[in-house]
Amino acid sequence: DTGVSQDPRHKITKRGQNVTFRCDPISEHNRLYWYRQTLGQGPEFLTYFQNEAQLEKSRLLSDRFSAERPKGSFSTLEIQRTEQGDSAMYLCASTQDSFSGNTIYFGEGSWLTVV
Amino acid sequence: SQKIEQNSEALNIQEGKTATLTCNYTNYSPAYLQWYRQDPGRGPVFLLLIRENEKEKRKERLKVTFDTTLKQSLFHITASQPADSATYLCAPASGGSYIPTFGRGTSLIVHP
Repeated sequence: DTGVSQDPRHKITKRGQNVTFRCDPISEHNRLYWYRQTLGQGPEFLTYFQNEAQLEKSRLLSDRFSAERPKGSFSTLEIQRTEQGDSAMYLCASTQDSFSGNTIYFGEGSWLTVV
Repeated sequence: SQKIEQNSEALNIQEGKTATLTCNYTNYSPAYLQWYRQDPGRGPVFLLLIRENEKEKRKERLKVTFDTTLKQSLFHITASQPADSATYLCAPASGGSYIPTFGRGTSLIVHP
Protein backbone atom coordinates (compact mmCIF):
# COMPACT_ATOMS: atom_id res chain seq x y z
CA ASP A 1 0.00 0.00 0.00
CA THR A 2 1.47 3.36 -0.96
CA GLY A 3 -0.89 5.61 0.95
CA VAL A 4 0.00 8.12 3.65
CA SER A 5 1.54 6.32 6.59
CA GLN A 6 1.53 7.58 10.18
CA ASP A 7 3.39 6.25 13.19
CA PRO A 8 2.62 5.49 15.95
CA ARG A 9 -1.08 4.90 15.56
CA HIS A 10 -1.66 5.22 19.28
CA LYS A 11 0.34 6.91 21.99
CA ILE A 12 -0.43 7.23 25.69
CA THR A 13 1.84 9.59 27.55
CA LYS A 14 2.05 11.28 30.89
CA ARG A 15 1.50 14.99 31.15
CA GLY A 16 4.73 16.88 30.72
CA GLN A 17 6.38 14.30 28.46
CA ASN A 18 7.41 14.95 24.87
CA VAL A 19 5.94 13.00 21.97
CA THR A 20 6.83 12.78 18.30
CA PHE A 21 4.69 11.62 15.42
CA ARG A 22 5.99 10.65 12.01
CA CYS A 23 4.25 10.93 8.67
CA ASP A 24 5.37 9.35 5.41
CA PRO A 25 3.43 10.97 2.57
CA ILE A 26 2.76 9.48 -0.81
CA SER A 27 6.01 9.70 -2.74
CA GLU A 28 6.32 12.71 -5.05
CA HIS A 29 3.61 14.59 -3.18
CA ASN A 30 5.12 17.98 -2.60
CA ARG A 31 2.54 19.34 -0.15
CA LEU A 32 2.07 17.89 3.31
CA TYR A 33 -0.47 18.96 5.94
CA TRP A 34 -0.91 18.33 9.64
CA TYR A 35 -4.35 18.54 11.20
CA ARG A 36 -5.71 17.83 14.67
CA GLN A 37 -9.11 16.35 15.33
CA THR A 38 -11.02 15.94 18.58
CA LEU A 39 -14.20 13.96 19.13
CA GLY A 40 -17.21 15.44 17.36
CA GLN A 41 -15.19 18.07 15.55
CA GLY A 42 -13.77 18.34 12.07
CA PRO A 43 -10.02 18.32 11.46
CA GLU A 44 -8.35 21.61 12.45
CA PHE A 45 -5.44 22.85 10.39
CA LEU A 46 -2.10 23.01 12.17
CA THR A 47 0.57 23.54 9.54
CA TYR A 48 1.65 22.66 6.02
CA PHE A 49 4.81 22.17 4.02
CA GLN A 50 5.53 22.77 0.38
CA ASN A 51 8.46 20.43 -0.16
CA GLU A 52 10.75 21.13 2.81
CA ALA A 53 9.49 24.65 3.48
CA GLN A 54 6.98 25.19 6.26
CA LEU A 55 4.79 27.85 4.72
CA GLU A 56 2.00 28.39 7.21
CA LYS A 57 1.25 27.65 10.83
CA SER A 58 -2.09 27.95 12.59
CA ARG A 59 -2.49 29.97 15.74
CA LEU A 60 -3.39 26.58 17.30
CA LEU A 61 0.25 25.59 16.94
CA SER A 62 1.69 26.87 20.21
CA ASP A 63 5.40 27.09 20.83
CA ARG A 64 5.24 23.60 22.34
CA PHE A 65 4.55 22.24 18.86
CA SER A 66 7.17 21.95 16.16
CA ALA A 67 7.07 20.29 12.79
CA GLU A 68 9.77 19.48 10.30
CA ARG A 69 10.02 18.00 6.86
CA PRO A 70 13.70 17.45 6.11
CA LYS A 71 14.50 17.04 2.44
CA GLY A 72 10.82 17.32 1.56
CA SER A 73 10.13 13.68 2.33
CA PHE A 74 8.73 12.43 5.63
CA SER A 75 7.57 14.84 8.31
CA THR A 76 7.61 14.84 12.10
CA LEU A 77 5.35 16.65 14.53
CA GLU A 78 6.73 17.03 18.04
CA ILE A 79 4.76 18.14 21.07
CA GLN A 80 6.81 19.18 24.06
CA ARG A 81 5.56 19.24 27.66
CA THR A 82 2.27 17.63 26.72
CA GLU A 83 -0.94 18.78 28.37
CA GLN A 84 -4.25 16.97 28.70
CA GLY A 85 -5.74 19.34 26.15
CA ASP A 86 -3.35 17.93 23.56
CA SER A 87 -5.27 14.64 23.57
CA ALA A 88 -6.59 14.27 20.03
CA MET A 89 -6.05 12.50 16.75
CA TYR A 90 -3.23 14.01 14.70
CA LEU A 91 -3.78 13.62 10.99
CA CYS A 92 -1.26 13.93 8.22
CA ALA A 93 -2.26 14.44 4.59
CA SER A 94 -0.45 14.92 1.32
CA THR A 95 -1.20 16.04 -2.21
CA GLN A 96 0.64 16.63 -5.45
CA ASP A 97 -0.34 20.29 -5.43
CA SER A 98 -3.33 22.26 -4.31
CA PHE A 99 -3.79 24.90 -6.96
CA SER A 100 -5.77 22.73 -9.29
CA GLY A 101 -7.51 21.05 -6.39
CA ASN A 102 -5.79 17.70 -6.52
CA THR A 103 -7.04 14.96 -4.25
CA ILE A 104 -5.72 15.19 -0.71
CA TYR A 105 -4.90 11.85 0.84
CA PHE A 106 -5.11 11.45 4.60
CA GLY A 107 -3.36 8.94 6.77
CA GLU A 108 -5.20 6.96 9.42
CA GLY A 109 -4.08 9.33 12.15
CA SER A 110 -2.05 9.11 15.33
CA TRP A 111 -4.14 9.03 18.48
CA LEU A 112 -2.63 10.82 21.46
CA THR A 113 -3.91 10.37 25.01
CA VAL A 114 -2.28 12.49 27.68
CA VAL A 115 -2.91 11.20 31.20
CA SER B 1 -14.21 35.31 11.11
CA GLN B 2 -14.52 32.43 8.68
CA LYS B 3 -17.19 29.91 9.57
CA ILE B 4 -18.31 26.60 8.09
CA GLU B 5 -21.62 25.16 9.21
CA GLN B 6 -22.83 21.64 8.75
CA ASN B 7 -25.90 20.07 10.36
CA SER B 8 -24.76 19.01 13.80
CA GLU B 9 -27.61 16.57 14.23
CA ALA B 10 -27.36 13.15 12.64
CA LEU B 11 -29.36 12.55 9.49
CA ASN B 12 -31.36 9.34 9.63
CA ILE B 13 -32.83 8.00 6.38
CA GLN B 14 -34.18 4.76 5.01
CA GLU B 15 -32.21 2.67 2.57
CA GLY B 16 -32.94 3.60 -1.03
CA LYS B 17 -33.77 7.22 -0.28
CA THR B 18 -31.67 10.23 -1.23
CA ALA B 19 -29.59 11.80 1.51
CA THR B 20 -28.95 15.53 1.28
CA LEU B 21 -26.30 17.16 3.44
CA THR B 22 -25.75 20.90 3.71
CA CYS B 23 -22.63 22.99 4.06
CA ASN B 24 -22.91 26.74 4.59
CA TYR B 25 -19.96 29.06 4.86
CA THR B 26 -19.49 32.70 5.80
CA ASN B 27 -16.67 35.17 5.29
CA TYR B 28 -15.22 32.89 2.67
CA SER B 29 -14.56 33.03 -1.03
CA PRO B 30 -13.46 29.47 -1.73
CA ALA B 31 -11.73 28.64 -4.96
CA TYR B 32 -13.10 25.15 -4.56
CA LEU B 33 -14.89 22.99 -2.04
CA GLN B 34 -14.29 19.37 -1.22
CA TRP B 35 -16.39 16.69 0.43
CA TYR B 36 -14.91 13.87 2.46
CA ARG B 37 -16.21 10.77 4.15
CA GLN B 38 -14.90 9.76 7.55
CA ASP B 39 -15.56 6.49 9.34
CA PRO B 40 -15.07 6.22 13.14
CA GLY B 41 -11.41 6.14 14.09
CA ARG B 42 -10.22 6.55 10.49
CA GLY B 43 -8.80 9.39 8.47
CA PRO B 44 -11.04 11.32 6.05
CA VAL B 45 -11.37 9.97 2.51
CA PHE B 46 -11.76 12.38 -0.39
CA LEU B 47 -15.00 12.04 -2.36
CA LEU B 48 -15.60 15.01 -4.64
CA LEU B 49 -14.26 18.46 -5.45
CA ILE B 50 -16.24 21.28 -7.03
CA ARG B 51 -14.72 24.52 -8.26
CA GLU B 52 -16.16 28.01 -7.83
CA ASN B 53 -17.12 28.21 -11.50
CA GLU B 54 -18.97 24.88 -11.41
CA LYS B 55 -22.60 24.54 -10.38
CA GLU B 56 -22.79 20.78 -10.09
CA LYS B 57 -20.54 17.73 -10.05
CA ARG B 58 -21.48 14.06 -10.15
CA LYS B 59 -19.71 10.81 -9.43
CA GLU B 60 -21.69 7.60 -9.48
CA ARG B 61 -24.39 7.99 -6.78
CA LEU B 62 -22.91 11.23 -5.48
CA LYS B 63 -23.82 14.75 -6.53
CA VAL B 64 -22.48 18.05 -5.23
CA THR B 65 -23.84 21.51 -5.95
CA PHE B 66 -22.10 24.79 -5.24
CA ASP B 67 -23.93 28.11 -4.97
CA THR B 68 -21.45 30.92 -4.39
CA THR B 69 -24.27 33.46 -4.07
CA LEU B 70 -25.96 31.54 -1.25
CA LYS B 71 -22.54 30.47 0.04
CA GLN B 72 -23.76 26.93 0.22
CA SER B 73 -22.90 23.47 -1.04
CA LEU B 74 -25.28 20.52 -1.04
CA PHE B 75 -24.10 16.92 -1.09
CA HIS B 76 -26.50 14.25 -2.28
CA ILE B 77 -26.26 10.47 -2.09
CA THR B 78 -28.92 8.77 -4.19
CA ALA B 79 -30.16 5.23 -3.59
CA SER B 80 -28.49 5.30 -0.20
CA GLN B 81 -27.22 2.10 1.39
CA PRO B 82 -26.38 1.18 5.00
CA ALA B 83 -22.72 1.14 3.89
CA ASP B 84 -23.03 4.89 3.25
CA SER B 85 -23.41 5.46 7.01
CA ALA B 86 -20.52 7.68 8.05
CA THR B 87 -19.65 11.29 8.84
CA TYR B 88 -19.42 13.60 5.85
CA LEU B 89 -17.16 16.63 6.01
CA CYS B 90 -17.12 19.65 3.76
CA ALA B 91 -13.91 21.59 3.28
CA PRO B 92 -13.74 24.82 1.31
CA ALA B 93 -10.33 26.08 0.25
CA SER B 94 -9.65 29.73 -0.47
CA GLY B 95 -7.25 30.96 -3.08
CA GLY B 96 -3.72 31.76 -2.04
CA SER B 97 -2.64 28.97 0.24
CA TYR B 98 -5.50 26.64 -0.76
CA ILE B 99 -5.63 25.08 2.69
CA PRO B 100 -8.84 23.05 3.15
CA THR B 101 -10.75 24.18 6.25
CA PHE B 102 -13.16 21.58 7.56
CA GLY B 103 -16.62 21.79 8.98
CA ARG B 104 -17.48 19.59 11.96
CA GLY B 105 -19.25 17.12 9.70
CA THR B 106 -22.70 15.59 9.57
CA SER B 107 -23.33 12.02 10.61
CA LEU B 108 -25.44 10.05 8.15
CA ILE B 109 -27.20 6.89 9.29
CA VAL B 110 -28.89 4.79 6.64
CA HIS B 111 -31.35 2.27 8.05
CA PRO B 112 -32.01 -1.01 6.22
